[in-house]
Amino acid sequence: GENVEQHPSTLSVQEGDSAVIKCTYSDSASNYFPWYKQELGKGPQLIIDIRSNVGEKKDQRIAVTLNKTAKHFSLHITETQPEDSAVYFCAARGGKLIFGQGTELSVKP
Amino acid sequence: NAGVMQNPRHLVRRRGQEARLRCSPMKGHSHVYWYRQLPEEGLKFMVYLQKENIIDESGMPKERFSAEFPKEGPSILRIQQVVRGDSAAYFCASFGGTAAEAFFGQGTRLTVV
Repeated sequence: GENVEQHPSTLSVQEGDSAVIKCTYSDSASNYFPWYKQELGKGPQLIIDIRSNVGEKKDQRIAVTLNKTAKHFSLHITETQPEDSAVYFCAARGGKLIFGQGTELSVKP
Repeated sequence: NAGVMQNPRHLVRRRGQEARLRCSPMKGHSHVYWYRQLPEEGLKFMVYLQKENIIDESGMPKERFSAEFPKEGPSILRIQQVVRGDSAAYFCASFGGTAAEAFFGQGTRLTVV
């Protein structure tokens, strides 16, 4: 069945450093790849997404890249801030939206 | 423009009772996903619904669980004869079409005692 693998499961960085989270997917029919941020006790919040006809997308300090051939996609956060601390999920959609296992990002002041 | 609304936010049920979780999608959205999340775990797909249709229920347990999204009103996730293992956070997400962004509600936290 469809599967999304996400790494690392935890990531600790110093404020101002960059953070990179990587995902791979198995379903070749996937054509939409969103990223969500989830804070404790809250629902996932869409932060950025990329579609299969695009290789890279940037929104201020956040960027996503997609390699459809390798079935890889990544989230890059630059100039991290303590408020970036949260759990981040990647996801891939062909029909249903399948999530990775999540990455707990901790940004230390 | 209100976001995705889920209620109740917290629900306590005794073993053997029924739980009904409601999800009102964003205005104009006709597609809904339901997910289950255990503490410190990921989001497990349960079911994909379009108005009056079940598109994909491959993540739903075969017994006790059902979901619907009627023409009028919210989507409902129903769990009959709840057991302690059903305790989790249940999230729904709505979107306007197969190429559109999906937005999540704040979830319903079900506790079975």
